[in-house]
Amino acid sequence: AQKVTQAQTEISVVEKEDVTLDCVYETRDTTYYLFWYKQPPSGELVFLIRRNSFDEQNEISGRYSWNFQKSTSSFNFTITASQVVDSAVYFCALSEANNFNKFYFGSGTKLNVKP
Amino acid sequence: KAGVTQTPRYLIKTRGQQVTLSCSPISGHRSVSWYQQTPGQGLQFLFEYFSETQRNKGNFPGRFSGRQFSNSRSEMNVSTLELGDSALYLCASSLAREGAPVHEQYFGPGTRLTVT
Repeated sequence: AQKVTQAQTEISVVEKEDVTLDCVYETRDTTYYLFWYKQPPSGELVFLIRRNSFDEQNEISGRYSWNFQKSTSSFNFTITASQVVDSAVYFCALSEANNFNKFYFGSGTKLNVKP
Repeated sequence: KAGVTQTPRYLIKTRGQQVTLSCSPISGHRSVSWYQQTPGQGLQFLFEYFSETQRNKGNFPGRFSGRQFSNSRSEMNVSTLELGDSALYLCASSLAREGAPVHEQYFGPGTRLTVT
């Protein structure tokens, strides 16, 4: 079974638009961790954020914000006032506490920000 | 601090050959994980090493193996290469410790393997 689902394969927006990337996860563990990574055209995965299952507080970092809702098993990522440099593939990932650092990645959402 | 480094960056091999990829983690990181990234299957976990011990393994055939050295550097080996092994192989390191919360993984630039 797919543990992390990113239903949006590709999204195109115009610069300065807000955009939300969806992530739905599945786990039976009570302790788990969720992550978002960015993969720009250069190919290197860049870490953006980590949340644990006990902390449902939303987080904001500059133009980035994350909404974690255990009730819907979702961990969505919003970019406010998007910029061309935000163009990349974004991955959501899940790691379960008893699974020794094994990350389950979603299939990724390709974000195209046009000038 | 220097990031995760991987060598070589690009590799072309022939079916049936074997290949060894190398990964140097961020200084102080004892956990090293390997992932395979392909357009069809996405990012898939291969294995994770911590203090020279393999703690976890993904669903890959035995042709895929790895090891970790005492300085935390890691290598992965693929024997009897198949066309389907063509992929970007990513190495990641983290501060993961025994009994500690899961930490974020920091990824290297990857090794692009092409099997012809």
